[in-house]
Amino acid sequence: KNEVEQSPQNLTAQEGEFITINCSYSVGISALHWLQQHPGGGIVSLFMLSSGKKKHGRLIATINIQEKHSSLHITASHPRDSAVYICAAQVRSDKLIFGTGTRLQVFP
Amino acid sequence: EAQVTQNPRYLITVTGKKLTVTCSQNMNHEYMSWYRQDPGLGLRQIYYSMNVEVTDKGDVPEGYKVSRKEKRNFPLILESPSPNQTSLYFCASSLERTWNSPLHFGNGTRLTVT
Repeated sequence: KNEVEQSPQNLTAQEGEFITINCSYSVGISALHWLQQHPGGGIVSLFMLSSGKKKHGRLIATINIQEKHSSLHITASHPRDSAVYICAAQVRSDKLIFGTGTRLQVFP
Repeated sequence: EAQVTQNPRYLITVTGKKLTVTCSQNMNHEYMSWYRQDPGLGLRQIYYSMNVEVTDKGDVPEGYKVSRKEKRNFPLILESPSPNQTSLYFCASSLERTWNSPLHFGNGTRLTVT
């Protein structure tokens, strides 16, 4: 079993839908990162959080430390949100464990 | 513009022919790292560096070398590439002494070893 699990692996949505991507981890962490990888391959850091909730535009990330679970929500999804979303658990200062990603496709 | 620059974007080579993938950041970041990304496995750390002249192995260091002679540059060297090193490679950097700060990634290098 992977130490960081994401679900679903693939997700298809219609434009405007509310989207949730889940990340569960089995290790102790100091922070949880959410990353976005576009079809061209580049990776962008979306959030880094160690408790509670963060919001940036239409994106919201939450984390429940006790349940070892984090979610990434996208409100009013748009085709340009189509990408692979990756969560990464920071287990110590020099080590991240990455999930295998959730591929999201949003259709007009 | 603050960025991490990797070159080349695409590279096709043959087994055993030494190659270097360059990585440079202009943000004065102390911490830099190399990852490889393979289908179904996610990103895995190859090597990382916490400062100039300080490098350490990650999870999959075999077959790779790195150097950190200057703060801005962190090249990845494959002395004798093999087909199992065919992968998508990313360089990343971070400001602080821990990874408790946002990661900045390069655009990736897709390497094919035949």
